[in-house]
Amino acid sequence: QVQLQESGPGLVKPSGPLSLTCAVSGVSLGSDNWWSWVRQSPGQGLEWIGEIYHRGDTRYNPSLNNRAALFIDKSKNQFSLKLTAVTAADTAVYYCARISKSSQFDYWGQGTLVTVSS
Amino acid sequence: DIQLTQSPSTLSASVGDKVTITCRASQSVGTWLAWYQQKPGKAPNLLISKASTLESGVTSRFSGSGSGTEFTLTISSLQPHDFATYYCQQYNSGRTFGQGTKVEI
Repeated sequence: QVQLQESGPGLVKPSGPLSLTCAVSGVSLGSDNWWSWVRQSPGQGLEWIGEIYHRGDTRYNPSLNNRAALFIDKSKNQFSLKLTAVTAADTAVYYCARISKSSQFDYWGQGTLVTVSS
Repeated sequence: DIQLTQSPSTLSASVGDKVTITCRASQSVGTWLAWYQQKPGKAPNLLISKASTLESGVTSRFSGSGSGTEFTLTISSLQPHDFATYYCQQYNSGRTFGQGTKVEI
């Protein structure tokens, strides 16, 4: 059974980097899937951040102005997100998710709340 | 950037009602559109892909239709566990979500 679990600091200072990791079990990151991060600001809708393929190919949401970077570690079967120059507007629940071969988000982590505050 | 606009934002309904949610895209997305259900404190759950394909394990009370710029999600007979927020999402160009429709009692 495919499972994803986010981890990382719950509090990040403004202007700092936000770093999260998604541990994947039940399937290899080397499989033919893209792996993604999606966030949801408190009481708001969903925003796609970006996605990564096992070869290291990446795609990002242009609205993040090159602040996001995704990395993959197949040896640990995990992938990670780094978001730079964060502000209070980056406060959100961050989800990692698998993208199915037909291109939808079919498996999700439970989400982790990251608050940007001094 | 493709924008998705859902209507209504909030929908009040009763158990047994048939409800319809609309999702309009700012430009054509073909049938590259999915629908998700999200309950409070939980991750979204995929209901429908490619505009009208019901995911495995999802009740047939849910159905999707549309193509191009206009799509609908219909719940044929609302059940208590259907009260949730529903999102459309396009994957024709990048990935964007609608703002959500909250279905409440």
